Amino acid sequence: QVQLQESGPGLVKPSETLSLTCAVSGYSISSGYYWGWIRQPPGKGLEWIGSIYHSGSTYYNPSLKSRVTISVDTSKNQFSLKLSSVTAADTAVYYCARVLASDWYFDLWGRGTLVTVSS
Amino acid sequence: SYELTQPPSVSVSPGQTARITCSGDALPKQYAYWYQQKPGQAPVLVIYKDSERPSGIPERFSGSSSGTTVTLTISGVQAEDEADYYCQSADSSGTHVVFGGGTKLTVL
Repeated sequence: QVQLQESGPGLVKPSETLSLTCAVSGYSISSGYYWGWIRQPPGKGLEWIGSIYHSGSTYYNPSLKSRVTISVDTSKNQFSLKLSSVTAADTAVYYCARVLASDWYFDLWGRGTLVTVSS
Repeated sequence: SYELTQPPSVSVSPGQTARITCSGDALPKQYAYWYQQKPGQAPVLVIYKDSERPSGIPERFSGSSSGTTVTLTISGVQAEDEADYYCQSADSSGTHVVFGGGTKLTVL
């Protein structure tokens, strides 16, 4: 079955760049769907970060757009998130998910990874 | 920026019906989706396109839409339904995803 797995450093220093990767198994990214990132600060709600198609077409949350880059590597069947100039407010569980592009919802999620921003 | 508004909490006794609302100006034009999230777990889609239920989701979960408000209804609530529930939709452009603030369902 299709599975998504996030990976990356669990601790990032303030002002640095957060980098995460989502590996997709059981499905070829090149076959379709959008792929997205969502985050959840401890004890708070969900926030959409952005989404990408295998062609590289992207959509970003306007509130994060200036700091976010989402890219896709079809050869490795994975997609990635970079968030620059992080602060403590970026501490969150980061989820990757599969996006039904026709309707923009998330039908399959990774387990999530906690990223803490601290010196 | 576009917002979806949910009540912070809803409480219900086992066997009763829970209704969780979500309001947003673009909801008459955009579908709504509902996710269930239990502590320490990733969200799970329970309703899509306002009222469709994914395979594997119990029939007691249903969704409806009326104007600028969508409603998640859980009939015959069970203890295992205690969780946070999030609505999600898109803004009027249809390209930016928005989540509601979430509703904590407590089963008394």
